[in-house]
Amino acid sequence: KNEVEQSPQNLTAQEGEFITINCSYSVGISALHWLQQHPGGGIVSLFMLSSGKKKHGRLIATINIQEKHSSLHITASHPRDSAVYICAVGDSGGGADGLTFGKGTHLIIQP
Amino acid sequence: AAGVIQSPRHLIKEKRETATLKCYPIPRHDTVYWYQQGPGQDPQFLISFYEKMQSDKGSIPDRFSAQQFSDYHSELNMSSLELGDSALYFCASSSTTRPGLLGYEQYFGPGTRLTVT
Repeated sequence: KNEVEQSPQNLTAQEGEFITINCSYSVGISALHWLQQHPGGGIVSLFMLSSGKKKHGRLIATINIQEKHSSLHITASHPRDSAVYICAVGDSGGGADGLTFGKGTHLIIQP
Repeated sequence: AAGVIQSPRHLIKEKRETATLKCYPIPRHDTVYWYQQGPGQDPQFLISFYEKMQSDKGSIPDRFSAQQFSDYHSELNMSSLELGDSALYFCASSSTTRPGLLGYEQYFGPGTRLTVT
């Protein structure tokens, strides 16, 4: 079973700051997901990646397969970015396997 | 665009009762996943179905069962409910007709919040 570690667990920053959230995992994966969860519970998929880098708006996700590490960056952070960001991985068997989740990073962006 | 639909959104049950949660995947998605997220916990994978067959099994208690129907919707049946079953239950769906090299991207529903009293 994969072990997924995220850091930091909690992060408070000022509006406009550049944010980095890190994720590491223990065994090979088919893909890594970055998810966003707002208070009240709904989960939104931000990125799914297995190599390199993806960008969507102010969000950037990178992954290093050799080092088993991924980062999520938020540029020009805004209070509406406040949420829990969760890293989740799919096992290398692929298919319709369930995801293994990290414990999440609670991000608060203060105006 | 259509999203994953879960019903009910909130459910209150007493101990030892049964509950049924429903999940309607995105149209043309053929795979459904169930996750359980306890208070302050990270989501835990319960079970998944592809083409009405169980595909992968996680930490689903024996008191729970699930199935996927011919229209691809899925139901999670929970019996002999315990206080510890109080959680947010997420359903996600994916499409194997668009696997890519990354496997199958999962799209999450809004969740059903189950409270057992």
